[in-house]
Order: sequence, then structure tokens, then C-alpha cells
Amino acid sequence: AQRVTQPEKLLSVFKGAPVELKCNYSYSGSPELFWYVQYSRQRLQLLLRHISRESIKGFTADLNKGETSFHLKKPFAQEEDSAMYYCALISQGGKLIFGQGTELSVKP
Amino acid sequence: GAVVSQHPSWVICKSGTSVKIECRSLDFQATTMFWYRQFPKQSLMLMATSNEGSKATYEQGVEKDKFLINHASLTLSTLTVTSAHPEDSSFYICSASPAGIKYSYTFGSGTRLTVV
Repeated sequence: AQRVTQPEKLLSVFKGAPVELKCNYSYSGSPELFWYVQYSRQRLQLLLRHISRESIKGFTADLNKGETSFHLKKPFAQEEDSAMYYCALISQGGKLIFGQGTELSVKP
Repeated sequence: GAVVSQHPSWVICKSGTSVKIECRSLDFQATTMFWYRQFPKQSLMLMATSNEGSKATYEQGVEKDKFLINHASLTLSTLTVTSAHPEDSSFYICSASPAGIKYSYTFGSGTRLTVV
């Protein structure tokens, strides 16, 4: 079964602290993985995708096939990073499947 | 960039009535659109895949007679919630992928449906 798991429902950190949002997946083959972000009262938007290997707003994510993980990291969290974060993969049917989401709260 | 417009942004309806939600791709053509349902601070649950010119494919557990999907053109898909009940109250989000561009998904701003 193709599945995305985000074990943390809520992650609370202080401004300037490192942050890591966990994502594990279940997929046979090479997955296409994404992180999406949803700020309060805004639409879902793409944060990054693993094949781009890019850094957006200071966030990075590395695909670890051995651990079937795609954790999202940022060395120094900012208050404006507070949002819902969703890890997602493309299913073999071409559909975007989301994890449960993690709410990141960055406190001043 | 690719923009998806979803309308209305919120709607309140009485039990037993039907509600139509529109999803438009404004500056690109989309042969495929997706409809999701989202509960507060929870995941997006894929309801169905809307295919232009053909029948939608529904995910397991989604009643196709209750959630009617029409994708009559390359820029418009509609979701009609028929005979709505309070348990259908939710946030509905559409997503579209530009034709010919692999794995690029743009999301609408969502529709908050409240059934009273």
C-alpha cells in the first residue's frame, strides 16, 4: 500500500531553534515526494519536491530510501514559518496522496 | 504561474438541498482535476479524480451518487453535493495539473460548506 505518515500532529519550537518535521512513506519503487505548506486561511502551496533538491525559505528535505523517510528541516525557525505542513507522494495511479499533516508553531 | 480558482469560497445550505462547487484553471488547460475533502487541521482526503470528457473515478468509500463530478471542459470541473446533510459539512479543495506537465499540482483556495 502507498502511504505517507507524519507522526507528529503538532510541533512547537522557539524562534531560532532548529526544526525537523518527520515524514515516512510506504511505496514500492522510486517515489515522487513533496512537501506542501498551508498558512492560515491560505491555499495549499508547494514548498519543495525531492527531485528538485532545492531549498525554499530555508527548508530542505532529503530522501532516505533506506529509512523510507523524507524529513523536512530548517536550521533556524522563524515565526512566519508557523503553518500546517503536509508531506505527499504521487501514487502509482498518478494521484497525490497526503500525510496527516503537522502543525508547526514557532513561538517568539 | 498556474492559477486555480474555486467558487464559492463558502456556502451555507439547508439539509436536503444540493450545492455546486466550481473549480477553474485560469491560465492553463487541465485534463485532470482532483477533489479533496479536508477536516480542520487534518489531512486532505482524496475523493475523486475528474477527467475531462469522461467519468470521474472515485476513491473507495466515496458515494458517487452523492458527490457528482462533471468535467465538461479543459478548464472547468464541478462538484455537486446532492441532498446535503450536516455530516457533509467540510472544506472541499480542488487541484489541477497542467496538461503535459508531469507532477505539477495547483490548488484552489477551497470551499467551506456548512449544511444546516
